[in-house]
Amino acid sequence: EVQLVESGGNLVKPGGSLRLSCAASGFTFNDAWMSWVRQAPGKGLEWVGRIKGKSVGETTDYAATVKGRFTISRDDSNSTLFLQMNSLKTEDTGVYYCTMEMGRWFDPWGQGTLVTVSS
Amino acid sequence: DIQLTQSPSSLSASIGDRVTISCRTSQSVYTYLNWYQHKPGEAPKVLLYGSSNLQTGVPSRFSGSGSGTDFTLTISSLQPEDFATYYCQQSHSSLWTFGQGTKVEIK
Repeated sequence: EVQLVESGGNLVKPGGSLRLSCAASGFTFNDAWMSWVRQAPGKGLEWVGRIKGKSVGETTDYAATVKGRFTISRDDSNSTLFLQMNSLKTEDTGVYYCTMEMGRWFDPWGQGTLVTVSS
Repeated sequence: DIQLTQSPSSLSASIGDRVTISCRTSQSVYTYLNWYQHKPGEAPKVLLYGSSNLQTGVPSRFSGSGSGTDFTLTISSLQPEDFATYYCQQSHSSLWTFGQGTKVEIK
């Protein structure tokens, strides 16, 4: 069974940093293109960014709202995806989901981890 | 970035109703348009991909159509478990984007 489990969400002050993790199982992780998607309180889903698979160099893409502040990386040996978030703003508050790009859509998704940016 | 606009933003409907949700994109995405269902406290779930392809395990009362810039999600007969928020999402450009969501509530 394919499974994605996020962790690392916490309360952090504006300007601070936080690293989220996503443990993957049930599929060949190093070939998978992985994304982070977030949902701010009362708002819709927002794609944050992706990291491509090993065969295409594990390159990354980011939404304009996080580019230069967030970094996505992966540890293929431990089937784990990371999201390093720096210079956090209050508007970064929300639930962060890890998801796989199955072809040209997202499936499956993790259950999410809550990040709260507040003083 | 490609912008997606869903309409309506919310709707109230009764069990058994036919429900239609529209998604318009700011430029052509061909048929690279997907639909998701999201319930509070749960992970989002893909319903349709490539505009009209039903994901395995999704009930046949869900259907999708459209190409270019105009797309539609239809629920032919609304069931109690269908009350949720629905999102369209494009995967034509390298930077994927979502619509703002349509909340389907009980009338």
